[in-house]
Amino acid sequence: SQQGEEDPQALSIQEGENATMNCSYKTSINNLQWYRQNSGRGLVHLILIRSNEREKHSGRLRVTLDTSKKSSSLLITASRAADTASYFCATVLTDSWGKLQFGAGTQVVVTP
Amino acid sequence: EADIYQTPRYLVIGTGKKITLECSQTMGHDKMYWYQQDPGMELHLIHYSYGVNSTEKGDLSSESTVSRIRTEHFPLTLESARPSHTSQYLCASSATGGLGTEAFFGQGTRLTVV
Repeated sequence: SQQGEEDPQALSIQEGENATMNCSYKTSINNLQWYRQNSGRGLVHLILIRSNEREKHSGRLRVTLDTSKKSSSLLITASRAADTASYFCATVLTDSWGKLQFGAGTQVVVTP
Repeated sequence: EADIYQTPRYLVIGTGKKITLECSQTMGHDKMYWYQQDPGMELHLIHYSYGVNSTEKGDLSSESTVSRIRTEHFPLTLESARPSHTSQYLCASSATGGLGTEAFFGQGTRLTVV
């Protein structure tokens, strides 16, 4: 089974609201990354948080990492219609050479 | 804009044909990956490479094969395409470093086998 699992599977919000999605994983990691995918396109890297970090910010994005619970969250503040996309978490395991494993993703729809 | 390119973007091909999906990157990355993704679904790692002449199968069994003769090039080949191979194929690359670095993705090849 996949290393990462995202929750919720889908999220629908209005512009201006915050969107929060969670990712849980099973084994020890070096880092956890969040990606965005617009329909039918490739993935775009959003943010990387290392195993020794607890929180990172990038613009309207805020990522937290709790290694004791093996979970991470991505918060998008003041959402815009252009944030409509699928969001994936990906983990790099400590016993791997840097191989990225993805979760199932959260589909986010932001309505104007 | 990421310097990783996949061709073709779309491919419709008949059953039994041999196909090669191309992936090239100009960033000098050691690591390259192939993922398979059905619409709206998760990404499954099918092949990866950590350098020239080094390739490994991923977590999802695939009938495809890959080669890594040059750092910048990581083609994926299906010797005999079948309808079950219909999917989107995503290529990615990343640099080697510390606790890991971000991956850059191509735009994907959407393959339809009829």
